[in-house]
Amino acid sequence: EDQVTQSPEALRLQEGESSSLNCSYTVSGLRGLFWYRQDPGKGPEFLFTLYSAGEEKEKERLKATLTKKESFLHITAPKPEDSATYLCAVQAEYGGSQGNLIFGKGTKLSVKP
Amino acid sequence: EAGVAQSPRYKIIEKRQSVAFWCNPISGHATLYWYQQILGQGPKLLIQFQNNGVVDDSQLPKDRFSAERLKGVDSTLKIQPAKLEDSAVYLCASSLTLGGRGETQYFGPGTRLLVL
Repeated sequence: EDQVTQSPEALRLQEGESSSLNCSYTVSGLRGLFWYRQDPGKGPEFLFTLYSAGEEKEKERLKATLTKKESFLHITAPKPEDSATYLCAVQAEYGGSQGNLIFGKGTKLSVKP
Repeated sequence: EAGVAQSPRYKIIEKRQSVAFWCNPISGHATLYWYQQILGQGPKLLIQFQNNGVVDDSQLPKDRFSAERLKGVDSTLKIQPAKLEDSAVYLCASSLTLGGRGETQYFGPGTRLLVL
């Protein structure tokens, strides 16, 4: 069964304190791994798509990496405005329906000034 | 470019009542998705449309939930009758095509449903 597990469930950082969020996945062939950011009361906002092991993508203070079993979202020198829930999702190559995203429960990040 | 629009934003109903949600996807997007997000969980797919046809509704509780996408644009999701466990955020998303590699899904703001 395709599955996504995110850790930690919650993370509190001081402004400027770098850290990483983890997304472990089991999937019958990976078509794509997605990172989304979700602010309270809003829908998920797309951040990155990763396709194959070794791939990396960056956006401002965020950097996403991918291995065959997990992805990391590295946050460098975070600011309070980075506070949000970060969701990881996978799209399977085989089985299920095309386009179906399987989401983890998310990591709630709080950055204190 | 306008994003995915949803209405209403909030809804409070009594159990056993009916409720309907509306979604307007990004212009030109062929695929539309409805997700249910329970507090503290990630979104879970309920139904997926390609134009006005259903691609996947395997996780839709069909005894109480129904959805349609007339003319391949707007969509409505209905719950009848509602149960307490239906309290959740209902998210609509759209993508340009159907499940292409890395096809990005863009989400609307969601409708927050509370069933009392």
